[in-house]
This record gives sequence, C-alpha cells and structure tokens, in this order.
Amino acid sequence: GAVVSQHPSRVICKSGTSVKIECRSLDFQATTMFWYRQFPKQSLMLMATSNEGSKATYEQGVEKDKFLINHASLTLSTLTVTSAHPEDSSFYICSGRQGLNTEAFFGQGTRLTVV
Amino acid sequence: GEDVEQSLFLSVREGDSSVINCTYTDSSSTYLYWYKQEPGAGLQLLTYIFSNMDMKQDQRLTVLLNKKDKHLSLRIADTQTGDSAIYFCAGVINQAGTALIFGKGTTLSVSS
Repeated sequence: GAVVSQHPSRVICKSGTSVKIECRSLDFQATTMFWYRQFPKQSLMLMATSNEGSKATYEQGVEKDKFLINHASLTLSTLTVTSAHPEDSSFYICSGRQGLNTEAFFGQGTRLTVV
Repeated sequence: GEDVEQSLFLSVREGDSSVINCTYTDSSSTYLYWYKQEPGAGLQLLTYIFSNMDMKQDQRLTVLLNKKDKHLSLRIADTQTGDSAIYFCAGVINQAGTALIFGKGTTLSVSS
C-alpha cells in the first residue's frame, strides 16, 4: 500500500510553546488529509479534514485557532498545536486519501507530551 | 451522527479463532472498515466491506455484516502471536465517504 510518513513520532514540549507535526504522502498525491486525535483507551476522534489548497474543515468542538492545519501541497500537510497545554497531550495521527478512493493511508502517529 | 462501539479486550490462545465485534448506529455508511494498529505503528487497513455485502473473506480474515442488527464482526482464523494488536472498526461519517469514525479499539492478546 501507499506510505504516509508522519513525524516526529514523539515530542515533548513545554506548556505555552507550539509544536508542528508533519504528514507526508510519499508515493501518492493526497488530495485529502485527515487529522485524528486519540486519547488513552478511547477512540480515534476526527479533528479536521483538509483538501489541498483549501482551508481545513474542523469537527465540532475542535478549536481551529489552536490546531492550525496547512495542506499547501498534495504531499504535505501539517498540524500545529499552538500554545500547547498539558491537556493537549495525546496521540495525533494523520491519514491521506487520493481522490475518493476507499482506502485512507495512515501515518505512524505522533505522541505529544506537554509538560 | 455515527457512533461505533466495540469491546475493549479479547484474549485467545495461539491457533484458536478470534472474533472481534463491533456495533454501529448509522446504517448509511457505504463501507465499513477494519484497521489494525501495532504498538508504535500507524493504522493498517486490514479489510473493508461494502454495505450491500453480508460476508467477505480474505485469507484468514472473515468479515460478517448484519445490517439489520447493525453489527460487524472480524474473525481471524488460526490466530498467531503476531496478530496481537489493537483492532479498530470504522464507519463513514460524511456524505463524500471520506471521513471515518472509529470505535475505541479492541486489544487482542494472543498467548502461546
């Protein structure tokens, strides 16, 4: 299957700082990128959907000013957690989809710890 | 909106069959998916089933869909220790069919 590379895999940051997570589709053009968040022992929650060149569509309850998503090219999407707080500590995972193909390819995930 | 529920843990012996169950609320999902997540790795698509199918078999994997009861199951035959992982079922939550909602995941533990 296609590969989505996400990094960093782990990051620890201080409260109040910003963290950027990158998601790259290596061998396909991801016209749509999805960002998910997973709390321990809980389901993956869709945070936002972004189409290349357009503003991201955020799910209800997700602060768009706090979780900045950029999808400027068909192979790269970034999620920036701004002014991170300990409650933002979580596992973030992206997925990319080419067109309306049934399969979305997932990155390896990023474990964010805010101290 | 769509809600997906699954049991959290399943423990089986090597060589036995594993059955992971999932229930969903929204019957409009065109596809239903099973993903596998190994520790430290991303999600891997195992299989999916169209909503107009009752069963799909792929090597050791069998997916059963009961639309009336909104119940989906994944059967793994001859379970191996390498099958130990978290398994997620997922349904579609948007009309374009591009965004997924996941269950909490079932942790499968296989003992030798």
